[in-house]
Amino acid sequence: EADIYQTPRYLVIGTGKKITLECSQTMGHDKMYWYQQDPGMELHLIHYSYGVNSTEKGDLSSESTVSRIRTEHFPLTLESARPSHTSQYLCASSDPGQGATDTQYFGPGTRLTVL
Amino acid sequence: AQSVAQPEDQVNVAEGNPLTVKCTYSVSGNPYLFWYVQYPNRGLQFLLKYITGDNLVKGSYGFEAEFNKSQTSFHLKKPSALVSDSALYFCAVRPMFSGGYNKLIFGAGTRLAVHP
Repeated sequence: EADIYQTPRYLVIGTGKKITLECSQTMGHDKMYWYQQDPGMELHLIHYSYGVNSTEKGDLSSESTVSRIRTEHFPLTLESARPSHTSQYLCASSDPGQGATDTQYFGPGTRLTVL
Repeated sequence: AQSVAQPEDQVNVAEGNPLTVKCTYSVSGNPYLFWYVQYPNRGLQFLLKYITGDNLVKGSYGFEAEFNKSQTSFHLKKPSALVSDSALYFCAVRPMFSGGYNKLIFGAGTRLAVHP
């Protein structure tokens, strides 16, 4: 498996709380991604990054924000969590050296429940 | 619109039998094709990909996939299924011209259940 880590693995919080989901990779990949996945359903891209200080929104609109201050770190933040944010969040990264054929490698995911 | 279809929500196979998980796609140009597997409460694991060349691609854990351009399909196969293969399988497509971030379009997933 790829060296990409996510914490926490599971998080249950109350409405209105600010949360940050952590994602880090040790492979030196420039490109990183955040996906949202409802249980057993398809993945939807919510954020991506080409590299340090680069972030873009994905296909699925999300109230979350991301930052990329270091190559290895790509945290996702929700300023005020709501029950509609309940989902699984998957982080991924890909090898910059393979061009368009690069493979995305995924972390284990964070399952978020907002009460 | 570009899309990926996995027509079966679930595939049931007896252990030792061959398995096929179907995937068809609709994208412009020649796509790059991927298969991922997801075990319960885990992230996605890369299985294999087709970029160019031989239409039969071999991947991890004995899986292979066959690219068929005329049928726009990329079915996942394994000659002899194991109970441990039971998981959720995702087909993904990267259109040839998908921008700098190499966008992946995922199918809805197919749950494979292998029975002893």
